[in-house]
Amino acid sequence: QLVLTQSPSASASLGASVKLTCTLSSGHSSYAIAWHQQQPEKGPRYLMKVNSDGSHSKGDGIPDRFSGSSSGAERYLTISSLQSEDEADYYCQTWGTGIQVFGGGTKLTVL
Amino acid sequence: EVQLVESGGALVQPGGSLRLSCAASGFTFSSFAMSWVRQAPGKGLEWVSGISASGGSTYYADSVKGRFTISRDNSKNTLYLQMNSLRAEDTAVYYCAKVAAAGLGSFDYWGQGTLVTVSS
Repeated sequence: QLVLTQSPSASASLGASVKLTCTLSSGHSSYAIAWHQQQPEKGPRYLMKVNSDGSHSKGDGIPDRFSGSSSGAERYLTISSLQSEDEADYYCQTWGTGIQVFGGGTKLTVL
Repeated sequence: EVQLVESGGALVQPGGSLRLSCAASGFTFSSFAMSWVRQAPGKGLEWVSGISASGGSTYYADSVKGRFTISRDNSKNTLYLQMNSLRAEDTAVYYCAKVAAAGLGSFDYWGQGTLVTVSS
């Protein structure tokens, strides 16, 4: 079964960096994923697609502070030089035959 | 500029029906798959249904299979979700999302959402 696992919460200080993790279920380590940001009271926004080889392609207007990487079944979103507006929920998403799957989301707090 | 604008959300009684629409612009609508994603109050994102670019293939989450029907009119650049036999647990903000491919793939654009409330 295709499942994505995310930690429920993360925190980091203003100006620092944070690395969020999304883990693919067993047998699905070759899958690409996408990261989406949802700021409070707003709709989701596509950030980037991250492939199993670590390559990534960002959405329109996404700052260079956001980057993606991979290791095995884990897909990462790294945000550097944290700003207050980065405080948001972050969701990973993947797809299989006839289905789309979301992780449970990580709530990022900027201290 | 890609724009997705949902409409049709409302307060409806349990067992009732509703049709959501998503008007698309800024891209060649007929070349891309589309999906509906919902978010219950205080909860995460849940994929509801998807449709291929041509409309020839449709997909549903188990939670809505048999009750919801996704469709599209490529001549009108519009995506639809017909929701029947609505339940309290269908209460959510419903988003339409553009897929970055003709079939399955990542969502690369989102609408602003429309609220569906199922309550007596």
